[in-house]
Parts: sequence; C-alpha cells; structure tokens
Amino acid sequence: GDSVTQMEGPVTLSEEAFLTINCTYTATGYPSLFWYVQYPGEGLQLLLKATKADDKGSNKGFEATYRKETTSFHLEKGSVQVSDSAVYFCALSEGDNDMRFGAGTRLTVKP
Amino acid sequence: EAGVTQFPSHSVIEKGQTVTLRCDPISGHDNLYWYRRVMGKEIKFLLHFVKESKQDESGMPNNRFLAERTGGTYSTLKVQPAELEDSGVYFCASSLHGGNSPLHFGNGTRLTVT
Repeated sequence: GDSVTQMEGPVTLSEEAFLTINCTYTATGYPSLFWYVQYPGEGLQLLLKATKADDKGSNKGFEATYRKETTSFHLEKGSVQVSDSAVYFCALSEGDNDMRFGAGTRLTVKP
Repeated sequence: EAGVTQFPSHSVIEKGQTVTLRCDPISGHDNLYWYRRVMGKEIKFLLHFVKESKQDESGMPNNRFLAERTGGTYSTLKVQPAELEDSGVYFCASSLHGGNSPLHFGNGTRLTVT
C-alpha cells in the first residue's frame, strides 16, 4: 500500500541554518504530497502541498518539490528561525484514498 | 470559523477501563477522520466518516475500538477495555471534501493507559 518514509529526528539547528528534511514515498499511482507541521501544544496544520510531478509547494519560506523520478518530496528552508521549532510530517493522498503520514521529524532551532 | 475541537486534551486511565474521546469537526465538513500516533511513530489512519457513514474503517486496530458519528456532526471514539498499547495521541481531522483535500486537525487527545 501507499506509504511515506521521512528522515528520523530529532534535528537541531542554529538560527539561520539551512534545513532539509527528507521524505520519500511509495504509491501505486500519482499521489498528492503534503507537509504538515505541528507546533508545540497545537494540532497539525497544512504547511504546503504539491499535486503533480515537478510542482513546487511553498509557504512561510519552506519549499518542497514533487520529484516523481526519485519519489521524493524533501522539505527545505534556507534560513530557519526559532519559531520554526516544531514536528514536521510528510504525507500523501492518492485518489479517494485517505491520507497517509510519515513518522514525523522534530526540529529544534536554537538562537 | 471555529476549528476542530477535541475533548479531553489528556486522559489517564487504568488498563481495563473505558474511555470515550470526542471530536467536533468544523461546521459543514462532511468528512471526519480519526488518526493515532503511538510513541513518536507515524500518524496512523483509523477511520473516515462521510457524514454519519463509515467510509473506511480499515485502520481500526481491533473490536475494542468503536467510533460513532450520530447525526453526522460530532464523533466519538470509545476504547473498551483499554490496553497499555492503546496509549498515544488520538487526532481528529475534518475536511470539506474527501480525497486529497487538506485536513484540518484538532489538537489531539493524549491517552495514557497505565
């Protein structure tokens, strides 16, 4: 079945460092791909999405490009801030199937 | 617009007891989902309601779990009797449309079974 694998955390960075969180997926067809973020004490919220190959999703300085050839959707940010500290979840949804999530990667950004 | 709300935020119960979790989706959202995250692992799908009907309950772990959505509004998830491995965070989400529509999540209920 469809599944998502993302890099294990935790990830600790200094402010203004470059961030990459890897995500690869397995799907039978052409899924839509998502990154969700969970800030401390809150529920998950959609960060960005891409619905077809080569699409780039972006939001709040974060970007991820849907790479069909490598079945990947890596999350990147050029300069992280303390306020970006959160747990990040990669997810996919294919057709009418329900969304599937990765294990989450905890990011801590230190000043 | 009020978001998805879940109650309680935390619950600590003993093995063998019963717990009922509640989720109020965003008004007008026909699609309601339950997910669970255990011990920092992936968020696993439990089931999906469309209005009051169970669209997909393939993720329900066993018959100790019972989900209802009477009237197609709020939903409850009952665990009876609870076991130690049921501990985790239970998330509810809703969406206006199914499929790949973005989900709106509640803050989750942290369940601890001792």
